Amino acid sequence: AQSVTQLGSHVSVSEGALVLLRCNYSSSVPPYLFWYVQYPNQGLQLLLKYTSAATLVKGINGFEAEFKKSETSFHLTKPSAHMSDAAEYFCAVSVGGRRALTFGSGTRLQVQP
Amino acid sequence: GAVVSQHPSWVICKSGTSVKIECRSLDFQATTMFWYRQFPKQSLMLMATSNEGSKATYEQGVEKDKFLINHASLTLSTLTVTSAHPEDSSFYICSASKDRTSYNEQFFGPGTRLTVL
Repeated sequence: AQSVTQLGSHVSVSEGALVLLRCNYSSSVPPYLFWYVQYPNQGLQLLLKYTSAATLVKGINGFEAEFKKSETSFHLTKPSAHMSDAAEYFCAVSVGGRRALTFGSGTRLQVQP
Repeated sequence: GAVVSQHPSWVICKSGTSVKIECRSLDFQATTMFWYRQFPKQSLMLMATSNEGSKATYEQGVEKDKFLINHASLTLSTLTVTSAHPEDSSFYICSASKDRTSYNEQFFGPGTRLTVL
């Protein structure tokens, strides 16, 4: 079975600082990996996805993530945080024929002025 | 785009009553829809997967007689919480995918907040 671990339930950065949200996965087969963002009382919006093409994936709002098989990681980064980036971020995985997503526990990003 | 709507966005009901939540794909046909449940400050937990015209597949521990899912068309899935109790209070989120590839993006609805008194 696949799983996702997000290190750090809360991350706080200053506006303009680097954002790094960590995600490690466990899967016995090549995974498909996703990052979603959730604003309060809203559904999830896809930031980016890895589907076995390029290992460095660029997403919306300036976010990107790098798939590292040797480290079983898919960390999310953004060079310069903006106040509007404050939200909950979820890493998710799907494998093989199972199209449902398995989500990590989420990381709440706070951006300080 | 690929827009998924949910109705209602929030609902308050009395214990013992049933509540129906609708999930619609507005501008695409969804071969598969998923229902998730999210408790406060927690992650999303998959409840069931439904394919149009067939019975839903429920995750372990999810009572299929309590959480009735109907996927009658390619644009509509419904979740009915039967005989709701306070412990069923949660944020229910649906998602829809366009085709059957495993990596295909899921498009999420805005969620429905259920409060059972």
